[in-house]
Amino acid sequence: AQSVAQPEDQVNVAEGNPLTVKCTYSVSGNPYLFWYVQYPNRGLQFLLKYITGDNLVKGSYGFEAEFNKSQTSFHLKKPSALVSDSALYFCVFYNYGQNFVFGPGTRLSVLP
Amino acid sequence: EPEVTQTPSHQVTQMGQEVILRCVPISNHLYFYWYRQILGQKVEFLVSFYNNEISEKSEIFDDQFSVERPDGSNFTLKIRSTKLEDSAMYFCASKLEMAREQFFGPGTRLTVL
Repeated sequence: AQSVAQPEDQVNVAEGNPLTVKCTYSVSGNPYLFWYVQYPNRGLQFLLKYITGDNLVKGSYGFEAEFNKSQTSFHLKKPSALVSDSALYFCVFYNYGQNFVFGPGTRLSVLP
Repeated sequence: EPEVTQTPSHQVTQMGQEVILRCVPISNHLYFYWYRQILGQKVEFLVSFYNNEISEKSEIFDDQFSVERPDGSNFTLKIRSTKLEDSAMYFCASKLEMAREQFFGPGTRLTVL
């Protein structure tokens, strides 16, 4: 079965430190991968996507993610975390012609 | 910047009642979706809609659910007889083309008493 995993329910990082939110996938074919963020009591905002091309993709708010086919991963990263980055992050995959499948989410807390 | 809008932001209803959740997708988008999220947990796919018909639906989307695009702008989700377990945040989303990101609305919080 096709799935996407986020192995950490919660990630805590100090403000100014680099952050990583992990995502691994198990899909057939070449998936399209996305990261979305959900701030408290808000909707889902698109951060970035990997469709094809460069494995390192850059997105909104200084976030980036690296697609690693051999490790079937798409980890989200930011060089210097802000307190305002605290939110729920979802890794999402999409196979062409099918629908979005959301990971379980990782709650990021950036401590001042 | 165009955005997806949803009304109402919060709906409270009694068990067994019908509710209609409304969405206005981004105007030139062609693909429309409904998702739900229970208490800040995983986002679950409900249904996708394209070319005026359902293209895919999940196991959650049973006979109590229906969707409609009654005019060129609105996209609605109807729950005919609500159950307690229907309490959730419901998100509408739309996208322009197949291989593109979806844009989500702010959600409607449905509370079934």
